[in-house]
Amino acid sequence: EDKVVQSPLSLVVHEGDTVTLNCSYEVTNFRSLLWYKQEKKAPTFLFMLTSSGIEKKSGRLSSILDKKELFSILNITATQTGDSAVYLCDVDQTGANNLFFGTGTRLTVIP
Amino acid sequence: EPEVTQTPSHQVTQMGQEVILRCVPISNHLYFYWYRQILGQKVEFLVSFYNNEISEKSEIFDDQFSVERPDGSNFTLKIRSTKLEDSAMYFCASSLDRGGVAEAFFGQGTRLTVV
Repeated sequence: EDKVVQSPLSLVVHEGDTVTLNCSYEVTNFRSLLWYKQEKKAPTFLFMLTSSGIEKKSGRLSSILDKKELFSILNITATQTGDSAVYLCDVDQTGANNLFFGTGTRLTVIP
Repeated sequence: EPEVTQTPSHQVTQMGQEVILRCVPISNHLYFYWYRQILGQKVEFLVSFYNNEISEKSEIFDDQFSVERPDGSNFTLKIRSTKLEDSAMYFCASSLDRGGVAEAFFGQGTRLTVV
């Protein structure tokens, strides 16, 4: 059975801390892995990863994929209260017309 | 910046009533999706739509659900006879293509409450 597992489920940190969010997957016909940030409503796209070992960066956020060990991490450095959100990992499969989301990690950054 | 828009933002309906959730995808996108998220739970795929037909649907998308693209811009989700367990946030999304590397853009969602 295909699955996407994120850990931890919930995380509370202080502003300025660095966090690492994990996503492991077992899916057939893997094509890409995507990270989304969900605040109050809709998920917003962060990164798409298709190749192992190539880090994607956007400001304080970065992400990398390991296709051998079947996981990805999302790093956020120098966290700010605006980073508080649910971070969703999603796996895209070849031949499938939908996105397969994990349960998400709820990050809370306190001042 | 182009965006996916959904209306209404919140709808309360009585059990057994029909509801239609509306979405306007990004204009040059070709693939359209509906997802739902029950409060506190994960985002779940409902259906994808391409070339005026359903290309894939999940087990959740039973005979009570239907989708339509009635004109060149709107994409609707109809729930024929709502149940309490249909209460959720419904997200519409669209993407440019599925043949390569592409991401889906999500609307802000419609919160459906069935009472």
